[in-house]
Amino acid sequence: GQNIDQPTEMTATEGAIVQINCTYQTSGFNGLFWYQQHAGEAPTFLSYNVLDGLEEKGRFSSFLSRSKGYSYLLLKELQMKDSASYLCAVSNDYKLSFGAGTTVTVRA
Amino acid sequence: DVKVTQSSRYLVKRTGEKVFLECVQDMDHENMFWYRQDPGLGLRLIYFSYDVKMKEKGDIPEGYSVSREKKERFSLILESASTNQTSMYLCATRTGGQNGYTFGSGTRLTVV
Repeated sequence: GQNIDQPTEMTATEGAIVQINCTYQTSGFNGLFWYQQHAGEAPTFLSYNVLDGLEEKGRFSSFLSRSKGYSYLLLKELQMKDSASYLCAVSNDYKLSFGAGTTVTVRA
Repeated sequence: DVKVTQSSRYLVKRTGEKVFLECVQDMDHENMFWYRQDPGLGLRLIYFSYDVKMKEKGDIPEGYSVSREKKERFSLILESASTNQTSMYLCATRTGGQNGYTFGSGTRLTVV
């Protein structure tokens, strides 16, 4: 079975940093993805980790520890447009299993 | 860029109706997937297909079937719609490598 946990909601101030944690217990592992989803829209790809360590892409970074079944997404220099849901997903045999998503609200 | 097109953005159907949700992709990808998304539950895999005429059950296939007669088209079928199938339905194609999936814009289905 698949069990992927992430917080339901987070609130932060414009310009700040927010870290969204994701823990997983899955029957297999081919990689971990983070997606962003604005209300009423399709999820869009943010990052991918398959090896342990930090992947940095502009204001967004993602970290993976396979031995701990743990990942986080770091959003820096928050902007109002970053208000969205962030989905953690584990790839197993090329199928994605998703957490329930974390809604991030950025306040002015 | 890969384009995944879902034929309807919003649908309202009556209980017991047969419902077809269509998904078309333009990049000749072999892998296609149907998910439903509900508040607090996230995206759950209904069915997937690795190739034409091939289909596999996902985590919640009950009440659904699929059809893949051509590589570019993957259809989700609700044989007899029920109110608990009211949801957002998302189609995706596997882009490959580190880019994961590309999703369609979704179909919000309401069964009354």
